[in-house]
Amino acid sequence: EDKVVQSPLSLVVHEGDTVTLNCSYEVTNFRSLLWYKQEKKAPTFLFMLTSSGIEKKSGRLSSILDKKELFSILNITATQTGDSAIYLCAVDSNYQLIWGAGTKLIIKP
Amino acid sequence: GAGVSQTPSNKVTEKGKYVELRCDPISGHTALYWYRQSLGQGPEFLIYFQGTGAADDSGLPNDRFFAVRPEGSVSTLKIQRTERGDSAVYLCASSLTPSRGVGYNEQFFGPGTRLTVL
Repeated sequence: EDKVVQSPLSLVVHEGDTVTLNCSYEVTNFRSLLWYKQEKKAPTFLFMLTSSGIEKKSGRLSSILDKKELFSILNITATQTGDSAIYLCAVDSNYQLIWGAGTKLIIKP
Repeated sequence: GAGVSQTPSNKVTEKGKYVELRCDPISGHTALYWYRQSLGQGPEFLIYFQGTGAADDSGLPNDRFFAVRPEGSVSTLKIQRTERGDSAVYLCASSLTPSRGVGYNEQFFGPGTRLTVL
């Protein structure tokens, strides 16, 4: 059965800290791995990763994929209270996205 | 331009009732997806439309759930004889083409409908 597992399930840090969120997967037909940020209800797209070892960056956020070990990490440096959200990892398997349960990140001022 | 919209934003109903949830995709997006997200879980795939047809409805939990997209744009998710376990946020997403073949077409999500079955 295809699955995506994220860890930790929740994380509380102080503003300015750096966090690393993990996503491991087992799917029969991997095409890409995606990270989303979910505030309130609708997830918003962060990154798409298809190749191992190539870091994607957007401001203070970065992500990398390891297709041999079947995992990805999302790093956030110099965290701000606006980074508080649920971070979702999903694997694109053909036309379906298989989702992890998410990591709930809380940034304390 | 306008994003994906969903109505209603919140729906409270009683066990056993029938509900309809509506999704308006981004204009020109041929693919439309329904997901269900329970508290503390990631979104769970329900059904995918390519145009007017349901290309994959394998995620629908049982025959109380049904979805249509008669003109290839707006979609309605219908739930009969609602149960308390149906309470969740129902998310709709659309993309330019189905996310298969070469490349990935980003799915854009609506704000969701929070369904509460009492």
